[in-house]
Amino acid sequence: EAQVTQNPRYLITVTGKKLTVTCSQNMNHEYMSWYRQDPGLGLRQIYYSMNVEVTDKGDVPEGYKVSRKEKRNFPLILESPSPNQTSLYFCASGTTAWVTEAFFGQGTRLTVV
Amino acid sequence: EDKVVQSPLSLVVHEGDTVTLNCSYEVTNFRSLLWYKQEKKAPTFLFMLTSSGIEKKSGRLSSILDKKELFSILNITATQTGDSAVYLCAVPLSGAGSYQLTFGKGTKLSVIP
Repeated sequence: EAQVTQNPRYLITVTGKKLTVTCSQNMNHEYMSWYRQDPGLGLRQIYYSMNVEVTDKGDVPEGYKVSRKEKRNFPLILESPSPNQTSLYFCASGTTAWVTEAFFGQGTRLTVV
Repeated sequence: EDKVVQSPLSLVVHEGDTVTLNCSYEVTNFRSLLWYKQEKKAPTFLFMLTSSGIEKKSGRLSSILDKKELFSILNITATQTGDSAVYLCAVPLSGAGSYQLTFGKGTKLSVIP
Protein backbone atom coordinates (compact mmCIF):
# COMPACT_ATOMS: atom_id res chain seq x y z
CA GLU A 1 0.00 0.00 0.00
CA ALA A 2 1.33 3.42 -1.00
CA GLN A 3 1.79 5.51 2.08
CA VAL A 4 3.65 8.22 3.92
CA THR A 5 4.35 7.32 7.53
CA GLN A 6 5.04 9.88 10.22
CA ASN A 7 6.08 9.23 13.79
CA PRO A 8 5.15 10.05 16.43
CA ARG A 9 1.50 11.00 15.93
CA TYR A 10 1.36 12.99 19.16
CA LEU A 11 4.20 14.54 21.13
CA ILE A 12 4.33 16.80 24.17
CA THR A 13 7.76 18.15 25.01
CA VAL A 14 9.45 20.90 26.98
CA THR A 15 11.11 24.01 25.63
CA GLY A 16 14.66 23.41 24.47
CA LYS A 17 14.63 19.62 24.33
CA LYS A 18 15.74 18.46 20.89
CA LEU A 19 13.31 16.27 19.00
CA THR A 20 12.98 14.53 15.66
CA VAL A 21 9.82 13.69 13.75
CA THR A 22 10.38 10.94 11.23
CA CYS A 23 8.80 10.65 7.80
CA SER A 24 9.10 7.74 5.42
CA GLN A 25 7.49 7.03 2.04
CA ASN A 26 7.36 3.79 0.06
CA MET A 27 6.55 5.19 -3.39
CA ASN A 28 10.07 6.08 -4.56
CA HIS A 29 9.04 9.72 -4.79
CA GLU A 30 11.64 12.36 -5.55
CA TYR A 31 9.85 15.19 -3.76
CA MET A 32 9.27 15.33 -0.04
CA SER A 33 8.16 18.22 2.09
CA TRP A 34 7.22 19.29 5.60
CA TYR A 35 4.30 21.56 6.44
CA ARG A 36 2.89 23.02 9.58
CA GLN A 37 -0.78 23.81 9.90
CA ASP A 38 -2.08 26.48 12.24
CA PRO A 39 -5.63 27.88 12.60
CA GLY A 40 -6.18 30.80 10.24
CA LEU A 41 -2.81 30.34 8.55
CA GLY A 42 -3.40 27.16 6.58
CA LEU A 43 -0.64 24.80 5.47
CA ARG A 44 2.74 26.48 5.37
CA GLN A 45 5.80 24.82 3.91
CA ILE A 46 8.79 24.46 6.22
CA TYR A 47 11.34 22.68 4.04
CA TYR A 48 11.23 20.63 0.89
CA SER A 49 13.54 18.28 -0.91
CA MET A 50 13.75 17.60 -4.62
CA ASN A 51 15.93 14.52 -4.20
CA VAL A 52 18.60 12.91 -2.04
CA GLU A 53 20.98 15.48 -0.55
CA VAL A 54 18.95 18.38 -2.03
CA THR A 55 16.90 20.46 0.39
CA ASP A 56 15.48 23.98 0.23
CA LYS A 57 13.76 26.34 2.61
CA GLY A 58 10.05 26.83 2.39
CA ASP A 59 8.09 29.74 3.81
CA VAL A 60 8.74 29.15 7.53
CA PRO A 61 12.11 27.37 7.99
CA GLU A 62 13.28 29.17 11.14
CA GLY A 63 13.85 26.81 14.05
CA TYR A 64 13.79 23.65 11.92
CA LYS A 65 16.33 21.43 10.21
CA VAL A 66 15.94 18.59 7.75
CA SER A 67 18.11 16.03 6.02
CA ARG A 68 17.62 13.75 3.02
CA LYS A 69 20.26 11.05 3.15
CA GLU A 70 17.99 8.41 1.65
CA LYS A 71 15.23 8.80 -0.89
CA ARG A 72 12.53 7.33 1.35
CA ASN A 73 13.24 9.29 4.56
CA PHE A 74 12.95 12.98 5.37
CA PRO A 75 13.16 13.66 9.12
CA LEU A 76 12.26 17.02 10.65
CA ILE A 77 14.52 18.15 13.47
CA LEU A 78 13.76 20.77 16.08
CA GLU A 79 17.06 21.51 17.79
CA SER A 80 15.59 23.73 20.51
CA PRO A 81 11.80 23.69 20.38
CA SER A 82 9.85 26.71 21.54
CA PRO A 83 6.14 27.12 22.36
CA ASN A 84 5.51 28.92 19.04
CA GLN A 85 6.36 25.65 17.30
CA THR A 86 3.28 24.03 18.82
CA SER A 87 1.39 22.98 15.72
CA LEU A 88 0.11 20.15 13.53
CA TYR A 89 2.84 18.91 11.21
CA PHE A 90 2.42 17.04 7.94
CA CYS A 91 4.94 15.32 5.76
CA ALA A 92 4.14 14.92 2.07
CA SER A 93 5.74 13.23 -0.92
CA GLY A 94 5.18 13.40 -4.65
CA THR A 95 6.67 12.89 -8.08
CA THR A 96 8.81 15.36 -10.01
CA ALA A 97 7.60 18.96 -9.82
CA TRP A 98 4.37 17.94 -8.06
CA VAL A 99 2.63 17.26 -11.34
CA THR A 100 0.76 14.40 -9.75
CA GLU A 101 -0.98 14.28 -6.41
CA ALA A 102 0.94 14.81 -3.22
CA PHE A 103 0.53 12.06 -0.62
CA PHE A 104 0.32 13.14 3.00
CA GLY A 105 1.27 11.46 6.22
CA GLN A 106 -1.31 11.30 9.02
CA GLY A 107 0.15 14.25 10.86
CA THR A 108 2.05 14.86 14.08
CA ARG A 109 0.48 17.03 16.72
CA LEU A 110 3.31 18.68 18.63
CA THR A 111 2.88 20.62 21.85
CA VAL A 112 5.86 22.49 23.32
CA VAL A 113 5.38 23.65 26.92
CA GLU B 1 2.43 38.10 -0.72
CA ASP B 2 -0.01 35.29 -1.33
CA LYS B 3 0.40 33.31 -4.50
CA VAL B 4 -2.67 31.12 -3.96
CA VAL B 5 -5.85 32.73 -2.69
CA GLN B 6 -9.03 30.85 -1.88
CA SER B 7 -12.50 32.26 -1.36
CA PRO B 8 -14.67 32.27 0.55
CA LEU B 9 -12.81 31.36 3.73
CA SER B 10 -15.93 29.86 5.23
CA LEU B 11 -19.29 28.76 3.91
CA VAL B 12 -22.41 27.31 5.53
CA VAL B 13 -25.06 25.66 3.36
CA HIS B 14 -28.01 23.31 3.74
CA GLU B 15 -28.00 19.76 2.49
CA GLY B 16 -28.91 19.63 -1.18
CA ASP B 17 -27.44 23.02 -2.01
CA THR B 18 -24.82 23.51 -4.72
CA VAL B 19 -21.60 25.27 -3.74
CA THR B 20 -18.76 26.84 -5.68
CA LEU B 21 -15.34 27.26 -4.16
CA ASN B 22 -12.73 29.51 -5.74
CA CYS B 23 -8.96 29.38 -6.04
CA SER B 24 -6.93 32.05 -7.81
CA TYR B 25 -3.22 31.72 -8.37
CA GLU B 26 -0.25 33.69 -9.53
CA VAL B 27 2.65 31.63 -10.81
CA THR B 28 5.12 31.59 -13.65
CA ASN B 29 5.50 28.41 -15.68
CA PHE B 30 2.19 26.94 -14.53
CA ARG B 31 2.27 23.14 -14.33
CA SER B 32 -0.69 22.01 -12.25
CA LEU B 33 -3.29 22.89 -9.66
CA LEU B 34 -4.34 20.40 -7.01
CA TRP B 35 -7.54 20.23 -4.93
CA TYR B 36 -7.67 18.48 -1.57
CA LYS B 37 -10.33 17.74 1.03
CA GLN B 38 -9.30 17.85 4.69
CA GLU B 39 -11.56 16.54 7.38
CA LYS B 40 -10.07 15.89 10.78
CA LYS B 41 -6.82 14.43 9.57
CA ALA B 42 -4.50 14.61 6.58
CA PRO B 43 -5.61 16.16 3.29
CA THR B 44 -6.95 13.69 0.76
CA PHE B 45 -6.54 14.21 -2.95
CA LEU B 46 -9.53 15.21 -5.09
CA PHE B 47 -8.37 16.51 -8.46
CA MET B 48 -5.36 17.63 -10.40
CA LEU B 49 -5.76 20.09 -13.26
CA THR B 50 -2.95 20.69 -15.72
CA SER B 51 -2.35 22.76 -18.79
CA SER B 52 -3.58 19.90 -20.94
CA GLY B 53 -6.81 19.22 -19.05
CA ILE B 54 -9.09 21.98 -17.87
CA GLU B 55 -12.03 20.07 -16.40
CA LYS B 56 -12.35 17.13 -14.07
CA LYS B 57 -15.44 15.43 -12.64
CA SER B 58 -16.01 12.78 -10.01
CA GLY B 59 -19.56 12.10 -8.88
CA ARG B 60 -21.01 15.27 -7.38
CA LEU B 61 -17.68 17.07 -7.49
CA SER B 62 -16.27 18.83 -10.50
CA SER B 63 -13.50 21.31 -11.09
CA ILE B 64 -12.50 23.59 -13.91
CA LEU B 65 -9.38 25.59 -14.62
CA ASP B 66 -9.35 28.95 -16.37
CA LYS B 67 -5.77 29.38 -17.54
CA LYS B 68 -6.42 32.81 -18.98
CA GLU B 69 -7.90 34.31 -15.82
CA LEU B 70 -5.69 32.20 -13.52
CA PHE B 71 -8.30 30.60 -11.34
CA SER B 72 -9.98 27.31 -10.64
CA ILE B 73 -13.36 26.49 -9.16
CA LEU B 74 -14.55 23.42 -7.32
CA ASN B 75 -18.26 22.68 -7.59
CA ILE B 76 -20.16 20.38 -5.28
CA THR B 77 -23.75 19.60 -6.21
CA ALA B 78 -26.46 18.14 -3.96
CA THR B 79 -24.27 18.66 -0.89
CA GLN B 80 -24.36 16.18 1.99
CA THR B 81 -23.25 16.52 5.60
CA GLY B 82 -20.28 14.31 4.73
CA ASP B 83 -19.01 17.06 2.45
CA SER B 84 -18.30 19.21 5.52
CA ALA B 85 -14.55 19.79 5.47
CA VAL B 86 -11.83 22.26 4.61
CA TYR B 87 -11.10 22.32 0.88
CA LEU B 88 -7.57 23.24 -0.09
CA CYS B 89 -6.04 24.12 -3.40
CA ALA B 90 -2.31 24.01 -4.08
CA VAL B 91 -0.04 25.10 -6.88
CA PRO B 92 3.61 24.27 -7.51
CA LEU B 93 5.57 27.52 -7.65
CA SER B 94 8.68 27.56 -9.80
CA GLY B 95 11.95 29.16 -8.90
CA ALA B 96 15.61 28.43 -9.58
CA GLY B 97 14.82 25.00 -10.99
CA SER B 98 12.80 23.76 -8.07
CA TYR B 99 9.12 23.70 -7.30
CA GLN B 100 7.60 24.62 -3.99
CA LEU B 101 4.07 23.36 -3.44
CA THR B 102 2.07 26.24 -1.99
CA PHE B 103 -1.40 25.94 -0.50
CA GLY B 104 -4.18 28.45 -0.15
CA LYS B 105 -5.65 28.99 3.32
CA GLY B 106 -8.60 26.81 2.46
CA THR B 107 -12.37 27.13 2.41
CA LYS B 108 -14.21 25.67 5.39
CA LEU B 109 -17.49 24.19 4.20
CA SER B 110 -20.20 23.31 6.69
CA VAL B 111 -23.24 21.44 5.43
CA ILE B 112 -26.17 21.45 7.84
CA PRO B 113 -29.13 19.06 7.64
